[in-house]
Amino acid sequence: AQSVTQPDIHITVSEGASLELRCNYSYGATPYLFWYVQSPGQGLQLLLKYFSGDTLVQGIKGFEAEFKRSQSSFNLRKPSVHWSDAAEYFCAVTPSGGYQKVTFGTGTKLQVIP
Amino acid sequence: ETGVTQSPTHLIKTRGQQVTLRCSSQSGHNTVSWYQQALGQGPQFIFQYYREEENGRGNFPPRFSGLQFPNYSSELNVNALELDDSALYLCASSLGRGLRNTGELFFGEGSRLTVL
Repeated sequence: AQSVTQPDIHITVSEGASLELRCNYSYGATPYLFWYVQSPGQGLQLLLKYFSGDTLVQGIKGFEAEFKRSQSSFNLRKPSVHWSDAAEYFCAVTPSGGYQKVTFGTGTKLQVIP
Repeated sequence: ETGVTQSPTHLIKTRGQQVTLRCSSQSGHNTVSWYQQALGQGPQFIFQYYREEENGRGNFPPRFSGLQFPNYSSELNVNALELDDSALYLCASSLGRGLRNTGELFFGEGSRLTVL
């Protein structure tokens, strides 16, 4: 069964500092990978996705993620964090094609301090 | 293009009652999925509907049931509510399945259910 691990429950960074959120997945083949962001009391918004091809993908709001097959990882990065990036971030995985069950990690809550 | 809308946004029920949550999918999307997000957790897949038929189900008991209508809107029904059913229920729409399925979900803002 597919699974997603986000080892960091809570991360605090200073505004302007760089950010990396970790995600590891477990799946037999190469899945489709996603990062979603959730602001308090809101639904989830897609930041970026990886289907195939270039392993470095660009998303909205200046985020990027790198797929590393050898490490089964899909870490999210941003060079310079803004106060508005404070939110909860979820990594997600789904099998490529067919049945569309998406499995989410438990999330990483990002706090940004001035 | 309208996004995914859910109703009601908040509701309070007591144990044993029944609840119906509603979702209108994004324009052009024919697939609706429902997720349960307990406090401090990631969303958990309940089930998915594609063209009015259930297309997959997560590890939820039969008292969680759903419908999808010809206009692709959907309902989630939960019978015999339990305290642990308190959560944010998220509806997500998407387009297609099979090779055209990208797994990309478009979420509504959710319905927050409190069971007392």
